Amino acid sequence: RKEVEQDPGPFNVPEGATVAFNCTYSNSASQSFFWYRQDCRKEPKLLMSVYSSGNEDGRFTAQLNRASQYISLLIRDSKLSDSATYLCVVNSWGNTPLVFGKGTRLSVIA
Amino acid sequence: EAGVVQSPRYKIIEKKQPVAFWCNPISGHNTLYWYRQNLGQGPELLIRYENEEAVDDSQLPKDRFSAERLKGVDSTLKIQPAELGDSAVYLCASSLVARTSGGNEQFFGPGTRLTVL
Repeated sequence: RKEVEQDPGPFNVPEGATVAFNCTYSNSASQSFFWYRQDCRKEPKLLMSVYSSGNEDGRFTAQLNRASQYISLLIRDSKLSDSATYLCVVNSWGNTPLVFGKGTRLSVIA
Repeated sequence: EAGVVQSPRYKIIEKKQPVAFWCNPISGHNTLYWYRQNLGQGPELLIRYENEEAVDDSQLPKDRFSAERLKGVDSTLKIQPAELGDSAVYLCASSLVARTSGGNEQFFGPGTRLTVL
Protein backbone atom coordinates (compact mmCIF):
# COMPACT_ATOMS: atom_id res chain seq x y z
CA ARG A 1 0.00 0.00 0.00
CA LYS A 2 1.30 3.45 -0.94
CA GLU A 3 2.09 5.68 2.01
CA VAL A 4 -0.14 8.49 0.71
CA GLU A 5 -2.96 7.80 -1.72
CA GLN A 6 -5.08 10.19 -3.69
CA ASP A 7 -7.61 9.89 -6.49
CA PRO A 8 -5.69 11.28 -9.49
CA GLY A 9 -8.84 12.67 -11.10
CA PRO A 10 -9.24 14.69 -13.18
CA PHE A 11 -12.12 16.42 -11.49
CA ASN A 12 -13.85 18.63 -14.05
CA VAL A 13 -16.22 21.05 -12.34
CA PRO A 14 -18.07 24.19 -13.44
CA GLU A 15 -17.26 27.57 -11.97
CA GLY A 16 -19.00 28.12 -8.67
CA ALA A 17 -19.17 24.44 -7.81
CA THR A 18 -18.01 22.89 -4.57
CA VAL A 19 -15.46 20.12 -4.90
CA ALA A 20 -13.83 17.86 -2.32
CA PHE A 21 -10.71 15.75 -2.44
CA ASN A 22 -9.76 13.01 -0.03
CA CYS A 23 -6.39 11.52 0.74
CA THR A 24 -5.49 8.51 2.87
CA TYR A 25 -2.22 7.84 4.61
CA SER A 26 -0.83 4.58 5.95
CA ASN A 27 1.61 5.68 8.64
CA SER A 28 -0.31 6.09 11.88
CA ALA A 29 2.70 7.91 13.38
CA SER A 30 2.20 10.78 10.95
CA GLN A 31 2.04 14.11 12.73
CA SER A 32 1.82 16.85 10.15
CA PHE A 33 -0.37 17.19 7.12
CA PHE A 34 -0.48 19.64 4.29
CA TRP A 35 -2.09 20.41 0.98
CA TYR A 36 0.22 21.74 -1.69
CA ARG A 37 -0.90 23.15 -4.99
CA GLN A 38 1.05 22.62 -8.20
CA ASP A 39 0.25 24.47 -11.38
CA CYS A 40 1.19 22.94 -14.72
CA ARG A 41 4.96 22.99 -15.21
CA LYS A 42 5.47 24.87 -11.95
CA GLU A 43 6.79 23.94 -8.54
CA PRO A 44 4.56 22.83 -5.65
CA LYS A 45 3.50 25.59 -3.27
CA LEU A 46 1.98 25.24 0.16
CA LEU A 47 -1.77 25.81 0.07
CA MET A 48 -2.53 25.12 3.69
CA SER A 49 -1.56 23.06 6.67
CA VAL A 50 -4.13 20.66 8.09
CA TYR A 51 -4.76 20.87 11.80
CA SER A 52 -6.47 18.33 14.02
CA SER A 53 -9.34 20.69 14.66
CA GLY A 54 -9.77 21.43 10.97
CA ASN A 55 -9.04 24.79 9.45
CA GLU A 56 -10.46 27.17 6.92
CA ASP A 57 -8.84 29.73 4.69
CA GLY A 58 -11.35 31.64 2.61
CA ARG A 59 -12.97 29.21 0.20
CA PHE A 60 -10.72 26.34 1.29
CA THR A 61 -11.41 24.02 4.20
CA ALA A 62 -9.11 21.22 5.33
CA GLN A 63 -10.08 18.40 7.67
CA LEU A 64 -8.12 15.63 9.35
CA ASN A 65 -9.55 12.35 10.55
CA ARG A 66 -6.84 10.55 12.51
CA ALA A 67 -8.98 7.54 13.36
CA SER A 68 -9.59 6.78 9.70
CA GLN A 69 -6.27 8.22 8.57
CA TYR A 70 -7.56 10.54 5.93
CA ILE A 71 -7.35 14.20 5.05
CA SER A 72 -9.79 16.18 3.00
CA LEU A 73 -9.78 19.46 1.12
CA LEU A 74 -13.00 21.26 0.26
CA ILE A 75 -13.08 24.10 -2.24
CA ARG A 76 -16.21 26.21 -2.35
CA ASP A 77 -17.28 28.54 -5.16
CA SER A 78 -14.60 27.20 -7.52
CA LYS A 79 -12.78 29.71 -9.69
CA LEU A 80 -11.06 29.12 -13.01
CA SER A 81 -7.81 29.96 -11.25
CA ASP A 82 -8.27 26.98 -8.92
CA SER A 83 -7.38 24.67 -11.81
CA ALA A 84 -4.24 22.87 -10.70
CA THR A 85 -2.99 19.64 -9.17
CA TYR A 86 -3.53 19.33 -5.43
CA LEU A 87 -0.90 17.30 -3.60
CA CYS A 88 -1.63 15.68 -0.26
CA VAL A 89 1.49 15.68 1.92
CA VAL A 90 2.26 13.87 5.15
CA ASN A 91 5.15 14.23 7.58
CA SER A 92 6.07 12.08 10.55
CA TRP A 93 7.74 14.76 12.61
CA GLY A 94 9.58 18.05 12.26
CA ASN A 95 12.70 17.18 10.33
CA THR A 96 11.68 14.01 8.56
CA PRO A 97 10.93 14.09 4.85
CA LEU A 98 7.57 15.01 3.48
CA VAL A 99 5.78 12.21 1.67
CA PHE A 100 3.73 13.36 -1.29
CA GLY A 101 0.73 11.77 -2.87
CA LYS A 102 0.50 11.66 -6.65
CA GLY A 103 -1.85 14.59 -6.69
CA THR A 104 -5.43 15.18 -7.75
CA ARG A 105 -5.97 17.20 -10.89
CA LEU A 106 -8.75 19.78 -10.85
CA SER A 107 -10.08 21.59 -13.91
CA VAL A 108 -12.61 24.34 -13.32
CA ILE A 109 -14.58 25.02 -16.46
CA ALA A 110 -16.33 28.25 -17.43
CA GLU B 1 13.02 37.95 -0.31
CA ALA B 2 14.40 35.67 -3.00
CA GLY B 3 13.01 32.18 -3.18
CA VAL B 4 14.84 28.96 -3.91
CA VAL B 5 16.94 29.37 -7.03
CA GLN B 6 17.75 26.52 -9.35
CA SER B 7 19.72 26.27 -12.55
CA PRO B 8 19.56 25.35 -15.28
CA ARG B 9 15.80 25.39 -15.83
CA TYR B 10 16.03 22.95 -18.72
CA LYS B 11 18.64 20.46 -19.76
CA ILE B 12 18.71 18.07 -22.71
CA ILE B 13 21.52 15.53 -22.87
CA GLU B 14 22.26 12.24 -24.52
CA LYS B 15 22.34 9.10 -22.43
CA LYS B 16 25.63 8.26 -20.78
CA GLN B 17 26.51 11.95 -20.50
CA PRO B 18 27.01 13.61 -17.11
CA VAL B 19 24.74 16.39 -15.86
CA ALA B 20 24.72 18.65 -12.83
CA PHE B 21 22.03 20.74 -11.19
CA TRP B 22 22.56 23.64 -8.84
CA CYS B 23 20.40 24.96 -6.02
CA ASN B 24 20.60 28.02 -3.82
CA PRO B 25 18.15 27.75 -0.91
CA ILE B 26 16.36 30.55 0.87
CA SER B 27 18.78 32.46 3.05
CA GLY B 28 18.90 31.04 6.56
CA HIS B 29 17.20 27.76 5.72
CA ASN B 30 19.28 25.00 7.24
CA THR B 31 17.54 22.07 5.58
CA LEU B 32 17.78 21.40 1.87
CA TYR B 33 16.06 18.69 -0.13
CA TRP B 34 16.43 17.29 -3.61
CA TYR B 35 13.33 15.66 -5.10
CA ARG B 36 12.63 13.99 -8.39
CA GLN B 37 9.19 14.32 -9.94
CA ASN B 38 8.10 12.12 -12.80
CA LEU B 39 5.14 13.01 -14.97
CA GLY B 40 1.86 12.39 -13.18
CA GLN B 41 3.57 11.64 -9.87
CA GLY B 42 4.26 13.55 -6.71
CA PRO B 43 7.81 14.59 -5.83
CA GLU B 44 9.96 11.82 -4.37
CA LEU B 45 12.82 12.61 -2.02
CA LEU B 46 16.33 11.83 -3.22
CA ILE B 47 18.40 13.37 -0.45
CA ARG B 48 18.00 15.68 2.52
CA TYR B 49 20.67 17.87 4.07
CA GLU B 50 20.74 19.48 7.47
CA ASN B 51 23.36 22.13 7.10
CA GLU B 52 26.19 20.35 5.28
CA GLU B 53 25.32 16.86 6.50
CA ALA B 54 23.36 14.43 4.35
CA VAL B 55 20.94 12.99 6.90
CA ASP B 56 18.75 10.97 4.54
CA ASP B 57 20.04 9.66 1.23
CA SER B 58 18.36 6.28 1.29
CA GLN B 59 16.48 6.96 -1.96
CA LEU B 60 19.49 8.29 -3.88
CA PRO B 61 20.74 5.83 -6.54
CA LYS B 62 24.31 5.99 -5.41
CA ASP B 63 25.78 4.18 -8.38
CA ARG B 64 25.17 7.18 -10.60
CA PHE B 65 23.86 10.01 -8.44
CA SER B 66 25.89 12.18 -6.10
CA ALA B 67 25.21 15.36 -4.22
CA GLU B 68 27.05 17.81 -2.09
CA ARG B 69 26.28 20.84 0.00
CA LEU B 70 29.54 22.53 0.79
CA LYS B 71 29.44 25.12 3.57
CA GLY B 72 25.81 24.23 4.21
CA VAL B 73 24.38 26.66 1.67
CA ASP B 74 24.34 25.89 -2.07
CA SER B 75 23.99 22.36 -3.28
CA THR B 76 24.70 20.44 -6.45
CA LEU B 77 23.17 17.19 -7.64
CA LYS B 78 25.04 15.21 -10.25
CA ILE B 79 24.15 12.26 -12.44
CA GLN B 80 26.91 10.35 -14.16
CA PRO B 81 26.20 8.68 -16.47
CA ALA B 82 22.61 9.67 -17.21
CA GLU B 83 20.11 7.05 -18.36
CA LEU B 84 16.87 7.43 -20.31
CA GLY B 85 14.86 6.78 -17.16
CA ASP B 86 16.41 9.79 -15.44
CA SER B 87 14.24 12.14 -17.49
CA ALA B 88 12.21 14.03 -14.90
CA VAL B 89 11.95 17.34 -13.09
CA TYR B 90 14.51 17.73 -10.32
CA LEU B 91 13.20 19.96 -7.57
CA CYS B 92 15.18 21.56 -4.81
CA ALA B 93 13.42 22.69 -1.65
CA SER B 94 14.50 24.29 1.59
CA SER B 95 13.03 24.74 5.02
CA LEU B 96 13.82 26.15 8.41
CA VAL B 97 13.07 23.27 10.71
CA ALA B 98 12.13 23.78 14.31
CA ARG B 99 13.16 20.58 16.02
CA THR B 100 10.83 21.13 18.90
CA SER B 101 7.68 21.21 16.89
CA GLY B 102 6.05 19.18 14.19
CA GLY B 103 5.72 20.12 10.58
CA ASN B 104 8.05 21.94 8.26
CA GLU B 105 6.88 24.12 5.39
CA GLN B 106 9.10 23.48 2.44
CA PHE B 107 9.67 26.07 -0.25
CA PHE B 108 10.41 24.72 -3.69
CA GLY B 109 12.50 26.06 -6.48
CA PRO B 110 11.21 26.08 -10.06
CA GLY B 111 12.98 22.81 -10.84
CA THR B 112 15.26 21.61 -13.60
CA ARG B 113 13.51 19.69 -16.36
CA LEU B 114 15.92 17.02 -17.57
CA THR B 115 15.44 15.20 -20.85
CA VAL B 116 17.77 12.30 -21.61
CA LEU B 117 17.78 11.24 -25.26
